[in-house]
Amino acid sequence: GESVGLHLPTLSVQEGDNSIINCAYSNSASDYFIWYKQESGKGPQFIIDIRSNMDKRQGQRVTVLLNKTVKHLSLQIAATQPGDSAVYFCAAASSGNTPLVFGKGTRLSVIA
Amino acid sequence: GAGVSQTPSNKVTEKGKYVELRCDPISGHTALYWYRQSLGQGPEFLIYFQGTGAADDSGLPNDRFFAVRPEGSVSTLKIQRTERGDSAVYLCASSLVQGALETQYFGPGTRLLVL
Repeated sequence: GESVGLHLPTLSVQEGDNSIINCAYSNSASDYFIWYKQESGKGPQFIIDIRSNMDKRQGQRVTVLLNKTVKHLSLQIAATQPGDSAVYFCAAASSGNTPLVFGKGTRLSVIA
Repeated sequence: GAGVSQTPSNKVTEKGKYVELRCDPISGHTALYWYRQSLGQGPEFLIYFQGTGAADDSGLPNDRFFAVRPEGSVSTLKIQRTERGDSAVYLCASSLVQGALETQYFGPGTRLLVL
């Protein structure tokens, strides 16, 4: 089955800098990837998703990059703000109605 | 508009008791998912519904766990004979249609503590 992992459990960045959070997945059949942000005491909040027919997708201040060759994806946050402090999860799934498989999360701390 | 809501927000119970956790999905969403999140971990899939039927319950850990969605909207997760290891945050999510490629929107979760 699928397993999803993040490279770093914690990440500290200076306010205004760019943040990069990495994630690896194991199942080459995975074709849908999604990033969630979870603040303390709240449920995961959708940030951005990407399908396997793309290698890059941009949102507001966020970019997701997908490298299917090495089964790696990353979330880039531009001009990181204190409100970005949270735990970030990547999740993967394959078509055919398989459930999302989540990684363990990276805790992002923004230093003012 | 209203998001996914879950009640209660917190539940404390004693070992061996029965609990019910409720989820109200986003209006019009046909698919509903339950996940369990332990401290420091990502959410783990339990079960999902398409309409009234459980399309995949492969994540339920044992037969003490059961979920229903009788009218295709609200869902209830039921846990019998609770154990201390059941303590976790139980998350519900919904999506517009069935399918792993549809964005799932999460509720705030129910924090269950079994003493």
